[in-house]
Amino acid sequence: RKEVEQDPGPFNVPEGATVAFNCTYSNSASQSFFWYRQDCRKEPKLLMSVYSSGNEDGRFTAQLNRASQYISLLIRDSKLSDSATYLCVVKVGGSYIPTFGRGTSLIVHP
Amino acid sequence: EAQVTQNPRYLITVTGKKLTVTCSQNMNHEYMSWYRQDPGLGLRQIYYSMNVEVTDKGDVPEGYKVSRKEKRNFPLILESPSPNQTSLYFCASRREDEQYFGPGTRLTVT
Repeated sequence: RKEVEQDPGPFNVPEGATVAFNCTYSNSASQSFFWYRQDCRKEPKLLMSVYSSGNEDGRFTAQLNRASQYISLLIRDSKLSDSATYLCVVKVGGSYIPTFGRGTSLIVHP
Repeated sequence: EAQVTQNPRYLITVTGKKLTVTCSQNMNHEYMSWYRQDPGLGLRQIYYSMNVEVTDKGDVPEGYKVSRKEKRNFPLILESPSPNQTSLYFCASRREDEQYFGPGTRLTVT
């Protein structure tokens, strides 16, 4: 089983739709969780950290479920500019090596 | 402007010809790292550095070397490149848990 798993998609949604991605992790010692966004052939950029209590940034909401070992990203009112690959990143406490998921591709169409 | 720069951005070389990919950051970050990104495999860490003269192996260090003689620079060295090192390489520096990635270096080894 891969350490961090994501559905590669693509998720193909119309503008204005709500879409959610999940990311499961296998190491119960994981303590830090993030979502990064990567546009085609560009560098990844931090979208948001995922806190135990969940967090929201505008149209984006991230949640952590430790019992089931997954994190989620919800995007409301999708925009064309949200089209990208979303990378889940997990880090075990005390480790300097984060583990990246393979990414979930989102395509928002008019 | 805070940034991570990499050079070259594109490189085509032949098997066995030593090459260096430079990486520089202007944010005074102590932590820097190198990743490779391959289709279907996601981002994998090659090496990381906690500070000047402090480096350690990531998940896939074989065939690579690094050095950290100055805080701002973290070059990646391929002493004898092979075709399986054809990949997209990213350098990153980190502040707390947020990683800032360079624009990437697309390397092809023939």
